[in-house]
Amino acid sequence: KNEVEQSPQNLTAQEGEFITINCSYSVGISALHWLQQHPGGGIVSLFMLSSGKKKHGRLIATINIQEKHSSLHITASHPRDSAVYICAVPYSGGGADGLTFGKGTHLIIQP
Amino acid sequence: DGGITQSPKYLFRKEGQNVTLSCEQNLNHDAMYWYRQDPGQGLRLIYYSQIVNDFQKGDIAEGYSVSREKKESFPLTVTSAQKNPTAFYLCASTRGQGNSGNTIYFGEGSWLTVV
Repeated sequence: KNEVEQSPQNLTAQEGEFITINCSYSVGISALHWLQQHPGGGIVSLFMLSSGKKKHGRLIATINIQEKHSSLHITASHPRDSAVYICAVPYSGGGADGLTFGKGTHLIIQP
Repeated sequence: DGGITQSPKYLFRKEGQNVTLSCEQNLNHDAMYWYRQDPGQGLRLIYYSQIVNDFQKGDIAEGYSVSREKKESFPLTVTSAQKNPTAFYLCASTRGQGNSGNTIYFGEGSWLTVV
């Protein structure tokens, strides 16, 4: 089974700071997902990437397939970015479908 | 707009009761999933279905049951055999297989509490 490790678990920063969240996984994958969970519990997909880098607004996701590592960056952070950010990779247990999720990084941006 | 609707948002279950969580999607997705989230843990897969009238167990299927009679619906029943059902439950769907690079969509989740 693919193991997913995220760091840090908790992160508090001031508005405007550059944020980096890291994700490492143990088994080679076809694509990696970054998700955002709002305080109410709903989850939205931010990125799905299999190589290189993707950018959407102030969010940037990178992946290094050889090192089995991905990072999510937030530039010019804002209090509305406060959420739990979750990394997920394809489940690799005996052909089953679905994703394996990291435990998430709880981000708080203070004004 | 297309999306996934879960209901109810909050549910209380008495000891020994079965309860059913609803999940409906209008995205025309083939694959649907049920995940459970506990504090401090990653989401864990309960059941998934890749096609109507077929479903497979995930990592923590004991005490749960599902059905997939229609493409858009994938209800989850939490049975009395589930000894620790208090958790946050999320339904999700993908256009094709979830482990094949397809974007995953989630519902807003259902909070289940045993009283």
